[in-house]
Amino acid sequence: AQKITQTQPGMFVQEKEAVTLDCTYDTSDPSYGLFWYKQPSSGEMIFLIYQGSYDQQNATEGRYSLNFQKARKSANLVISASQLGDSAMYFCAMREPLSGGYNKLIFGAGTRLAVHP
Amino acid sequence: NAGVTQTPKFRVLKTGQSMTLLCAQDMNHEYMYWYRQDPGMGLRLIHYSVGEGTTAKGEVPDGYNVSRLKKQNFLLGLESAAPSQTSVYFCASSPQAGIYNSPLHFGNGTRLTVT
Repeated sequence: AQKITQTQPGMFVQEKEAVTLDCTYDTSDPSYGLFWYKQPSSGEMIFLIYQGSYDQQNATEGRYSLNFQKARKSANLVISASQLGDSAMYFCAMREPLSGGYNKLIFGAGTRLAVHP
Repeated sequence: NAGVTQTPKFRVLKTGQSMTLLCAQDMNHEYMYWYRQDPGMGLRLIHYSVGEGTTAKGEVPDGYNVSRLKKQNFLLGLESAAPSQTSVYFCASSPQAGIYNSPLHFGNGTRLTVT
């Protein structure tokens, strides 16, 4: 069963506008973490922002913020004041337990964002 | 500071050939992972290691083997490459505390094509 769903294969936004990238997740574990990564055309994976399931406030990191709605199991990434350099693939990921008490990250399929001048 | 280094960056193999992908990290991390990235499927976990000398299977382990003889290195082997293994491979590491609130640190990926 898919645990992380990113329903937007592609998104467009005008430079300097804000954009929201959707992410919904499914877990029965009360303790979990949600991550967003950026993958530019050069291919590297860049960590953007983290939200813990018990965090009282939505996470923010510069122009990135996370709209965390726990009851709806959604963790949407909001990018404010888009820049041309924001054009990239964006992945939502969730911490999932492994055997032995360890963890792994599971990833959504990604959303490709294009910022237009 | 190098972080996580993967070699090689690119490789083309013929069906049936073998190869080893090397991942090295200099952050003294306990956990290391191998993922593969395919279009429309995000990243899927192949194998992982929670410490030197330990390895375990992830979601898509078939056709791959791994070894972690030294803490800083995590090797991914393909014994008999198949076209279905054409993908971009990412190595990642994280500290012993796990990834509850710490992100994975990724290498820059290896693009493998099997013809």
